[in-house]
Amino acid sequence: DTGVSQDPRHKITKRGQNVTFRCDPISEHNRLYWYRQTLGQGPEFLTYFQNEAQLEKSRLLSDRFSAERPKGSFSTLEIQRTEQGDSAMYLCASSLGAGGAYNEQFFGPGTRLTVL
Amino acid sequence: AQSVTQPDIHITVSEGASLELRCNYSYGATPYLFWYVQSPGQGLQLLLKYFSGDTLVQGIKGFEAEFKRSQSSFNLRKPSVHWSDAAEYFCAVGGGNFGNEKLTFGTGTRLTIIP
Repeated sequence: DTGVSQDPRHKITKRGQNVTFRCDPISEHNRLYWYRQTLGQGPEFLTYFQNEAQLEKSRLLSDRFSAERPKGSFSTLEIQRTEQGDSAMYLCASSLGAGGAYNEQFFGPGTRLTVL
Repeated sequence: AQSVTQPDIHITVSEGASLELRCNYSYGATPYLFWYVQSPGQGLQLLLKYFSGDTLVQGIKGFEAEFKRSQSSFNLRKPSVHWSDAAEYFCAVGGGNFGNEKLTFGTGTRLTIIP
């Protein structure tokens, strides 16, 4: 049983460049979440999908951020025109979600972004 | 809006000693509460969770937590720590319609174990 995987694990980019991260959830999981974790802080919720539908987006997700899950499997998170404040660990999680029932969110190892 | 406070940024404990990590939450309804552990280079791992029922919940690796509604607390405990417990610990509260669409985390407590 493979867990949640994220690619790349590390990304260094220059300010103003675009970056894209990929998350592959656990295969049967229909819910996928993105979080951002800055140094010394806990993870902060960014957005989540149920299948291919993006059901909620945090105010943290500015216009420069876009997330997709086109076929309800893997997801991508793109940041356009990166800023130094975007430097963080981007975490992906997945769960087998059904209304009214709790299912654990399993987290991937994260993608660490450094914007120079 | 829901929030979580972990008042201790860093705790140092001797190996074999007992441990208590504090967590206070703010949530309008009955909360879904979680403790996660994060080791360097590792993803977040769920230690335990509380939804309802018995206020003392048991988790993995010998951890337990007690939900106290009157104090809005969900403190994590372990009777005897091991060197491998050194990590960052996060308390979280679940939100959304069913309490699990999104998690709000505290800022974490870094645990150091000394021999």
